[in-house]
Amino acid sequence: EVQLVESGGGLVQTGGSLRLSCVASGFTFSSEWMSWVRQAPGKGLEWVANIKEDGSEEYYVDSVEGRFTISRDNAKNSLYLRMNSLRAEDTAMYYCAKDGAFGVQNYWGQGTLVTVSS
Amino acid sequence: DIQITQSPSSLTASVGDRVTITCRASQSISNYLHWFQQKPGKAPKLLIYAVSNLSRGTPSRFSGTGSGADFTLTIRTLQPEDFATYYCQQTYTTPRTFGQGTKLEI
Repeated sequence: EVQLVESGGGLVQTGGSLRLSCVASGFTFSSEWMSWVRQAPGKGLEWVANIKEDGSEEYYVDSVEGRFTISRDNAKNSLYLRMNSLRAEDTAMYYCAKDGAFGVQNYWGQGTLVTVSS
Repeated sequence: DIQITQSPSSLTASVGDRVTITCRASQSISNYLHWFQQKPGKAPKLLIYAVSNLSRGTPSRFSGTGSGADFTLTIRTLQPEDFATYYCQQTYTTPRTFGQGTKLEI
């Protein structure tokens, strides 16, 4: 059974930093692209970033480019999202997701909540 | 970026009804269009991938059609557990983009 468990969310001040983690199990982590998707309170879904199986390629939505960094440690079956220069508009539930065929996010974690406040 | 326009934003229906949700992309996205269901307080769940392929566990009352830039999700014979918010998503290019969502209410 595929399981994705996020952690690292919390309350952070505007301009601060946070690192989210996601531990994966139930599949061969090192063979799959992975993504982060977020959802602001009461709003829709926004894809944030993804990373290739070996970490050699990363892609970001424009709104986080240069501030967020996605990374992975295949030896630890772990995905990360380093978030710097946080803004109020980054407040959201952040989901870790496994990418499948066609690049679709076919499995999701339960999410970790990030709140950015002054 | 590819924009996805999803309609309607909300929909009221009854158990047993048939409902349709549409998504239009700002350009052709081949068959890279997928549908998710999200219930309150829960993570999204993949329903249909690549236009018309049911994800494991998706009931057969759900179906997807379309091509190019226009796509449709149909739910036949609504069940109580189908009342949720539905999103479409394109993965033809990055950034991946989602529709705005359709809240299906009783």
